[in-house]
Amino acid sequence: KAGVTQTPRYLIKTRGQQVTLSCSPISGHRSVSWYQQTPGQGLQFLFEYFSETQRNKGNFPGRFSGRQFSNSRSEMNVSTLELGDSALYLCASSQEGGGYTDTQYFGPGTRLTVL
Amino acid sequence: SQQGEEDPQALSIQEGENATMNCSYKTSINNLQWYRQNSGRGLVHLILIRSNEREKHSGRLRVTLDTSKKSSSLLITASRAADTASYFCATDENSGYSTLTFGKGTMLLVSP
Repeated sequence: KAGVTQTPRYLIKTRGQQVTLSCSPISGHRSVSWYQQTPGQGLQFLFEYFSETQRNKGNFPGRFSGRQFSNSRSEMNVSTLELGDSALYLCASSQEGGGYTDTQYFGPGTRLTVL
Repeated sequence: SQQGEEDPQALSIQEGENATMNCSYKTSINNLQWYRQNSGRGLVHLILIRSNEREKHSGRLRVTLDTSKKSSSLLITASRAADTASYFCATDENSGYSTLTFGKGTMLLVSP
């Protein structure tokens, strides 16, 4: 099976702009989670989607949003970019995510730089 | 918030030696997972150990879990230069959702 794919791999934006990142999970996986990784804060959970519904959300401002489509592909959007949003954004997929956490498989990430 | 705390933060060894990394967490869990990350790239899943398991092996990897001490260890035997990476433990905080809480990681450097 193909792994988790994320597009684009690199992105440079300026403050105030908005950005949309895309994630295609492993075929058959219905749960998609997003994480932000920065040198200062490490890996932090953003949100998780299952069957097009957001089931869980991390402690991030409303500028961070996401959605999941019927084919399980997911997008996340960051509006009004700030310098501190510069990070590696990682997407992970798992089969079910219910009951207890399945193994999560991560994509290569999108490196976002905000200037 | 950070759930796990890895120890040590950095580890430097020679090829052929064993590397041991430790992880502590705070709340009850369903399972604990270990991941590897090569220099700013995606995370590679190494092993998952459930809360009712005490030890698990996968190739050169051995993971132990002590739920009474809320700690886990990852042992990499006969290390190779290709094992150079950052290693993270992640727990699910018994949330029932696909939400992982990561530690800050251990940077492992294996020198030839």
